[in-house]
Amino acid sequence: GQQVMQIPQYQHVQEGEDFTTYCNSSTTLSNIQWYKQRPGGHPVFLIQLVKSGEVKKQKRLTFQFGEAKKNSSLHITATQTTDVGTYFCAEVIIQGAQKLVFGQGTRLTINP
Amino acid sequence: DAGITQSPRHKVTETGTPVTLRCHQTENHRYMYWYRQDPGHGLRLIHYSYGVKDTDKGEVSDGYSVSRSKTEDFLLTLESATSSQTSVYFCAIGGGGGMGEQYFGPGTRLTVT
Repeated sequence: GQQVMQIPQYQHVQEGEDFTTYCNSSTTLSNIQWYKQRPGGHPVFLIQLVKSGEVKKQKRLTFQFGEAKKNSSLHITATQTTDVGTYFCAEVIIQGAQKLVFGQGTRLTINP
Repeated sequence: DAGITQSPRHKVTETGTPVTLRCHQTENHRYMYWYRQDPGHGLRLIHYSYGVKDTDKGEVSDGYSVSRSKTEDFLLTLESATSSQTSVYFCAIGGGGGMGEQYFGPGTRLTVT
């Protein structure tokens, strides 16, 4: 079945450093979504990427969708302690309902 | 936050007992989902619903059943709980239009001893 691989599994940075997480698929993705889950919380939607080569920015967060639509990345510039959490990518599968196949997630911890 | 509640929020049960988790939404959304979250696996889809009495299996449906008799309620049942079903269970709604985002409930932590 579909599988989205996400790396790294863990990342620890000093506050102010940049952070990047990557998602890779062996098959072409239709759309990809990104979610953030704070410790002890629930996943919260960040963004959806649809087009090949698409780049979207949300303040210090930059999301990219590869030209071949087989990979995606989330980059955070100058991390802050509020960025702590686990970031998930999710492949969108449209079969009537819009199902999600999640990557394993990248857990970000930050040293203040 | 979207109007999604889950009950109970925490439950400890013994192997072999039946367990039902409830998801309730106030958004009148057509699509509802049940996921489980385990370390190293992210979130995995168990079952989903695309309308009242309309449900389908996800990638990890074995040992689980669901029912949706009203738009607002989606029930997940473990007929005979096993220790491998110890997990955090999330309900979600959405995915049918617009950005297609899903909104997640607060989760239920289930421990099977």
